[in-house]
Amino acid sequence: NAGVTQTPKFQVLKTGQSMTLQCAQDMNHEYMSWYRQDPGMGLRLIHYSVGAGITDQGEVPNGYNVSRSTTEDFPLRLLSAAPSQTSVYFCASSTPGQGGGYGYTFGSGTRLTVV
Amino acid sequence: SQQGEEDPQALSIQEGENATMNCSYKTSINNLQWYRQNSGRGLVHLILIRSNEREKHSGRLRVTLDTSKKSSSLLITASRAADTASYFCATLSGGSYIPTFGRGTSLIVHP
Repeated sequence: NAGVTQTPKFQVLKTGQSMTLQCAQDMNHEYMSWYRQDPGMGLRLIHYSVGAGITDQGEVPNGYNVSRSTTEDFPLRLLSAAPSQTSVYFCASSTPGQGGGYGYTFGSGTRLTVV
Repeated sequence: SQQGEEDPQALSIQEGENATMNCSYKTSINNLQWYRQNSGRGLVHLILIRSNEREKHSGRLRVTLDTSKKSSSLLITASRAADTASYFCATLSGGSYIPTFGRGTSLIVHP
């Protein structure tokens, strides 16, 4: 099993450019989510999905878009990159279980710099 | 906003010592999870404790949960240099299956 695969690992964008961060999982997990990690801020939830065709906003959704057309894939789109979006982005997946869910499996992250 | 808050923010110990980090949270939870993050890597799930459990063990890890105080602790016994990492608690509340993470504790274990 590959687990959760994120691409690219590193990316530099110019302000105003758009791009898509890819996330794929091969564990047939229903739940997928995107977090950003900034120094001193921990992980903040951007968007999440509880199944194909279902997405919802997290704590910091502005400037980002998601879709979930398949169980496996959950891409994150930056519509018009801004320096404030410089961060490390993590995709994670899980499956529901008795008592409130299993632990999440994380990808290795995408380090994004917006100049 | 963060649900869980870890304490201390940073911890530096010698190899062989025990490391204890704490997590406090604000609202009722279904379960609480602990994760480890090595520098430059993704988070790795360590252990999950449900709201009706008080203590759980996994290898050198011991987690306790006190729902009356809304707090949890992670104990790593006989620490090794390889335990150097950041440790995060994450809570699941209500009907949500999406965890909310704290800011983490940075642990350094000196050989």
